[in-house]
Amino acid sequence: DAGVIQSPRHEVTEMGQEVTLRCKPISGHDYLFWYRQTMMRGLELLIYFNNNVPIDDSGMPEDRFSAKMPNASFSTLKIQPSEPRDSAVYFCASTRDSYQPQHFGDGTRLSIL
Amino acid sequence: DQQVKQNSPSLSVQEGRISILNCDYTNSMFDYFLWYKKYPAEGPTFLISISSIKDKNEDGRFTVFLNKSAKHLSLHIVPSQPGDSAVYFCAASLTGTYKYIFGTGTRLKVLA
Repeated sequence: DAGVIQSPRHEVTEMGQEVTLRCKPISGHDYLFWYRQTMMRGLELLIYFNNNVPIDDSGMPEDRFSAKMPNASFSTLKIQPSEPRDSAVYFCASTRDSYQPQHFGDGTRLSIL
Repeated sequence: DQQVKQNSPSLSVQEGRISILNCDYTNSMFDYFLWYKKYPAEGPTFLISISSIKDKNEDGRFTVFLNKSAKHLSLHIVPSQPGDSAVYFCAASLTGTYKYIFGTGTRLKVLA
């Protein structure tokens, strides 16, 4: 089975630009998660969806961040406008239910100059 | 305030010996714990989990121990292999909440 697929793997852009990160969860997984990993804060949950509906976005740092899940096989995390402090590795994960572990994609390494 | 702590940022072990990675948590309500392994430029990979109704779970070379009174869990790898060299994260959760709280990770290096 294909795992969680994220794109792009690397993104370098200038401050103020819009950034869109993409994620395809494992087929049949109804829960999708966006995480951010930084040196200062480690791996932290930003938002998660159940059946395409956002359930908890309390980890989203500010209004510049938004996430959508238009269908069961695709989600985006958007940053607009981007700032240097948004530089991090962003992971997407999915799971079938709370009794199964979350499966992670390989992440997008984002650098904002 | 860190709810899940991995106080050892790194650990080196000889091949064939036991690796013991430790994790402490502060929230006594956590009832589901996991260990993930992460190689560079890859996402975390699930390794093993344990529910709070157990104090031990074993899967091949990997065993996780849970001490609820001490709010402490540990991962034992026996015997350690060079391919085990990676960063190990522990995570804690409340069943049904889907929110994992991760520790900061321990980098394990297994020396051949």
